[in-house]
Amino acid sequence: DAGITQSPRHKVTETGTPVTLRCHQTENHRYMYWYRQDPGHGLRLIHYSYGVKDTDKGEVSDGYSVSRSKTEDFLLTLESATSSQTSVYFCAISEGGRRNTEAFFGQGTRLTVV
Amino acid sequence: KNEVEQSPQNLTAQEGEFITINCSYSVGISALHWLQQHPGGGIVSLFMLSSGKKKHGRLIATINIQEKHSSLHITASHPRDSAVYICAVGGWNTDKLIFGTGTRLQVFP
Repeated sequence: DAGITQSPRHKVTETGTPVTLRCHQTENHRYMYWYRQDPGHGLRLIHYSYGVKDTDKGEVSDGYSVSRSKTEDFLLTLESATSSQTSVYFCAISEGGRRNTEAFFGQGTRLTVV
Repeated sequence: KNEVEQSPQNLTAQEGEFITINCSYSVGISALHWLQQHPGGGIVSLFMLSSGKKKHGRLIATINIQEKHSSLHITASHPRDSAVYICAVGGWNTDKLIFGTGTRLQVFP
């Protein structure tokens, strides 16, 4: 199994509070991605990173920010959580984006905003 | 219309049946991925293919680039195959994957 770990696995938070989710990899892969998964939707890209300090927005980036200060860690922050951000969040890694290498996914983080 | 469409959305089968899940896409791609997600679980990559056919155990994936269509077959299905199967495509000029909404498969003993 690819070495990719998400933390926490479950979190309940109140509306308006900041939340940070962590994705940690031991594969030294260049690309890291944050997705959210909601019923009726496919996985939707929030943000991704193509190197340390290099990030770009995905299709549902509003209300989220990311940081990647080390190859192995990719943080997703909800600055002020809203109920619409209740979702399951998945991190993924791949060696090379356009080279279309295999993607490996974390176990997911179930976030509930009350 | 979604760029990646899967059919059927839901599928039930008896143990031992041959299963086919379809994926059609409307964009030019460099590779197509099949992923598996068990209830409450993480997502596992099953196949990545850009042409032809791949086989792993009881799973077979095929792709027809001209028709922009891929199929995932499961032979001799088993209850442990019950999961959501997700198709995703990677485009030529993007670092991102586009996902289908998944096919929920339930195999009964």
